[in-house]
Amino acid sequence: EVQLVESGGGLVQPGGSLRLSCAASGFTFSSYWMHWVRQAPGKGLVWVSRINSDGSSTSYADSVKGRFTISRDNAKNTLYLQMNSLRAEDTAVYYCARDRRLTGGNWFDPWGQGTLVTVSS
Amino acid sequence: DIQMTQSPSSLSASVGDRVTITCRASQSISSYLNWYQQKPGKAPKLLIYAASSLQSGVPSRFSGSGSGTDFTLTISSLQPEDFATYYCQQSYSTLAITFGQGTRLEIK
Repeated sequence: EVQLVESGGGLVQPGGSLRLSCAASGFTFSSYWMHWVRQAPGKGLVWVSRINSDGSSTSYADSVKGRFTISRDNAKNTLYLQMNSLRAEDTAVYYCARDRRLTGGNWFDPWGQGTLVTVSS
Repeated sequence: DIQMTQSPSSLSASVGDRVTITCRASQSISSYLNWYQQKPGKAPKLLIYAASSLQSGVPSRFSGSGSGTDFTLTISSLQPEDFATYYCQQSYSTLAITFGQGTRLEIK
């Protein structure tokens, strides 16, 4: 079974740091691009970042550029999101998602269950 | 960034109804449009990819159509388990993927 399990969320003060992890199983992790998507409480989905299959290429939403870093360890089948200089507006459930792509674009499937990050003093 | 606008933002319907949700892109995105379903407290689930392709395991009452800037998600006969929030997502701009604001489908 294809599975993604996030961890590392919690309560952090403004200006603090947190590292999220996403453990993958049931598929060849090193063959897939991966993404982070977040959802603030009661709000919609917002794409955060993506990384290609070997980790050589990354991209970020403007709102997190320069503060967040996406990375991966293909030997450990794990995706990471290092979050620095956290702000109250970063409070959200963070989901990791596998990228699927064919002619016709790319999409997210499956998604992990999410991990909650709360930035508050 | 490409803006995605869904309508309506919320919708009340009854079991057995036919429901259509619309998603409009701020510029042409060809068929680079996907649909997801999200239930409270759960992760989103892929329903439709590339505008009209049904994800494996998704009931055939779900269908998608459109290209360019205008897209629709149709549920042909609502079932109790379909009451959820639905999101469209464009992947035309791969460096700035964007979602619609969501459509909450509620029981009438």
